[in-house]
Amino acid sequence: DVKVTQSSRYLVKRTGEKVFLECVQDMDHENMFWYRQDPGLGLRLIYFSYDVKMKEKGDIPEGYSVSREKKERFSLILESASTNQTSMYLCASTPPSGRGDTQYFGPGTRLTVL
Amino acid sequence: DQQVKQNSPSLSVQEGRISILNCDYTNSMFDYFLWYKKYPAEGPTFLISISSIKDKNEDGRFTVFLNKSAKHLSLHIVPSQPGDSAVYFCAAITQGGSEKLVFGKGTKLTVNP
Repeated sequence: DVKVTQSSRYLVKRTGEKVFLECVQDMDHENMFWYRQDPGLGLRLIYFSYDVKMKEKGDIPEGYSVSREKKERFSLILESASTNQTSMYLCASTPPSGRGDTQYFGPGTRLTVL
Repeated sequence: DQQVKQNSPSLSVQEGRISILNCDYTNSMFDYFLWYKKYPAEGPTFLISISSIKDKNEDGRFTVFLNKSAKHLSLHIVPSQPGDSAVYFCAAITQGGSEKLVFGKGTKLTVNP
């Protein structure tokens, strides 16, 4: 069965902290994505990666960075967390040349920055 | 600029009736469209899709209609059930392109018993 896991379901951090959100997929997918979901704004793409050590900016990359050292793992980093980064963060993966129906999402991490 | 628009943030329907969720897009390069369903505290799950070469796709209680000339698609749920209460996201992609889905802002559907 397809599995995308995220390291934490809920996370509370303080302003200025460095935050790591981890995502692991067990489907040998090349493509991985990080989104954030906010009420009224839908799903917005932060970063994505087509392969190990490759990354591309999405629509809202400011304040974030990513790391993809291994194929199965894609990390989202908040270098200095701010209150406006309080959100639901969703990771997804998909094989190459897949249609959107093969995009599998993790359960999400609800991050609160105080 | 929003390329995929869901203009109704919420919709309330009585159990057993039809739910119609609408979605408009502006990019004529999109050739594949999807609907995702999301429950609170869970990731979105794929629901149904349609290729631009079709105008209708049906899967059980769910049917998606595509009107290319109007750049409009809709999701019909018949009959609606309380378990269908969720946020529904419309998404679009250009196949063979960047493989990035473009999502709408979502419509929260509430089905009342």
